[in-house]
Amino acid sequence: GEDVEQSLFLSVREGDSSVINCTYTDSSSTYLYWYKQEPGAGLQLLTYIFSNMDMKQDQRLTVLLNKKDKHLSLRIADTQTGDSAIYFCAESISGNKLVFGAGTILRVKS
Amino acid sequence: DAGVIQSPRHEVTEMGQEVTLRCKPISGHDYLFWYRQTMMRGLELLIYFNNNVPIDDSGMPEDRFSAKMPNASFSTLKIQPSEPRDSAVYFCASSPDRGSVLNTEAFFGQGTRLTVV
Repeated sequence: GEDVEQSLFLSVREGDSSVINCTYTDSSSTYLYWYKQEPGAGLQLLTYIFSNMDMKQDQRLTVLLNKKDKHLSLRIADTQTGDSAIYFCAESISGNKLVFGAGTILRVKS
Repeated sequence: DAGVIQSPRHEVTEMGQEVTLRCKPISGHDYLFWYRQTMMRGLELLIYFNNNVPIDDSGMPEDRFSAKMPNASFSTLKIQPSEPRDSAVYFCASSPDRGSVLNTEAFFGQGTRLTVV
């Protein structure tokens, strides 16, 4: 079945690295995504990785993909208070259908 | 483009009343999605359309929920009759056709916060 799982909460100190983990079930997913939701707003695409890649780096963000274990992670270096938000992992199913995890609340303490 | 536009932003209604949520997708996008977000269940896909045609409505919780897309620029999600457990934030999202690299990137509206009392 379609299922994406994430830990619910992560708390880090400002300046530390944050690592948010996700597991998914559909091995045929072409793309895997990380979305960010700030308070009172909709989700916005943060970054994505193509399924034939192991790693993607984009400034402070590093995405790691382990296809064998169906594990995806998002690392945020030098986490700032503005990074406090809910982070959603998502996989693409059967084309344009996206299945999201429940979201990980990231709290950054100053 | 102004992005995906949803209305209303907030809706408070009494149990048993009909509720209609509205969405205007980004012009040119062929896919439209309705999601529901709650603390308990996270983000759930309710239904999605391709070129105004419903493709997958397996996430619609009950017959009380219905969605329509009469044209490419407008969609509604209706709950009749509403119940307190329907209280949630409902998001509409749209995405372009499969031709682009990020063919499944979804652009979200700001959501409608529904409270049924």
